[in-house]
Amino acid sequence: GAGVSQSPSNKVTEKGKDVELRCDPISGHTALYWYRQRLGQGLEFLIYFQGNSAPDKSGLPSDRFSAERTGESVSTLTIQRTQQEDSAVYLCASSLGTGIGNTIYFGEGSWLTVV
Amino acid sequence: AQSVTQLGSHVSVSEGALVLLRCNYSSSVPPYLFWYVQYPNQGLQLLLKYTTGATLVKGINGFEAEFKKSETSFHLTKPSAHMSDAAEYFCAVRRSGGSNYKLTFGKGTLLTVNP
Repeated sequence: GAGVSQSPSNKVTEKGKDVELRCDPISGHTALYWYRQRLGQGLEFLIYFQGNSAPDKSGLPSDRFSAERTGESVSTLTIQRTQQEDSAVYLCASSLGTGIGNTIYFGEGSWLTVV
Repeated sequence: AQSVTQLGSHVSVSEGALVLLRCNYSSSVPPYLFWYVQYPNQGLQLLLKYTTGATLVKGINGFEAEFKKSETSFHLTKPSAHMSDAAEYFCAVRRSGGSNYKLTFGKGTLLTVNP
């Protein structure tokens, strides 16, 4: 597709269950980012992947959160033992590189509701 | 550390009126500054960005923003609002060196345009 694709677009899960969110970046984009947007808040950085370099996981809020990316393709964000405070929109973004001339393109987000 | 403050979580204007969305930032190094727009059920889209050079930056859809270092501001303006401008707007800052791939976002301003 032409843009960043995320699935599912909406997910309702019970507290304590694990969820997996998927991001398909724009083809050829080496940089991939995950952000979280909680209600009434700005976007919070979660994790960054750049090619085969070690990811920057400094934004992950707890060890219940993890993310993987295989090469320069799909990424999955996994939240284990979900809590109600995990309810948010999870946004994935990608860019050709990290130079300032490279625009970061965002997907439409995965809306997660933990009940 | 960087931070972004957007004054006013909700701004309402009449069609044809001036749009002014306020953004102030703090950054320990010269920043790169961005405005993103999020239309309902869509991902974030880059409106404009400031990196270096001219402090008045023009973006898409008639928007512009001016970087004022002395005021640590990057306010977004449009001379005449259109109904299609109704959306949420996010200001963001990024370091100009080091780990400069992280965007720090404000909490967003919801713009309503009244007929």
